[in-house]
Amino acid sequence: DQQVKQNSPSLSVQEGRISILNCDYTNSMFDYFLWYKKYPAEGPTFLISISSIKDKNEDGRFTVFLNKSAKHLSLHIVPSQPGDSAVYFCAASGYSGGGADGLTFGKGTHLIIQP
Amino acid sequence: DADVTQTPRNRITKTGKRIMLECSQTKGHDRMYWYRQDPGLGLRLIYYSFDVKDINKGEISDGYSVSRQAQAKFSLSLESAIPNQTALYFCATSDSSWGEAFFGQGTRLTVV
Repeated sequence: DQQVKQNSPSLSVQEGRISILNCDYTNSMFDYFLWYKKYPAEGPTFLISISSIKDKNEDGRFTVFLNKSAKHLSLHIVPSQPGDSAVYFCAASGYSGGGADGLTFGKGTHLIIQP
Repeated sequence: DADVTQTPRNRITKTGKRIMLECSQTKGHDRMYWYRQDPGLGLRLIYYSFDVKDINKGEISDGYSVSRQAQAKFSLSLESAIPNQTALYFCATSDSSWGEAFFGQGTRLTVV
């Protein structure tokens, strides 16, 4: 069963507008959430993260919001720029009780910024 | 130079062959990981290592083995490659179990 879900495989946004990428999780033991950005032929690169003790974290044009009660987080990019076109992965980590390590990833959302 | 280097970048191999993918890092991190990416499935954890004496299975370890030769080196082996192991493989490092991971550029493996 998928523990981190990104239900939109792709998203098209006009340049200059806001891009909103969504992510849901099912494991209540997750307490740290990250967004990664991936260009073709490159490895994922870290974008922004948020701890479960916060509900918002901002870094320049990127803001991540966390709603723990809904087990939902979102990444806002404003204004969207052509270079933001990439695949965005939501990831989660935390004590799972099984001694597991590493990040659990969603399937990714392909963001396309239209000129 | 990249902090996390994977070799080879691309490889085509035949069914039944043994193949090794290598990863080296200069970040000084203890934790190293191997992930696999398939279209529409995101990244899934194959194996991870806390240090040279600690190797752990991830979500999809069947058909794979790993070796942590040194703090900086972590290799992934397919003992007998099969076509459904065709995928993009990523090595990553981290200095914590919950935080940011740093990824290599990936190895595209095709098993024919």
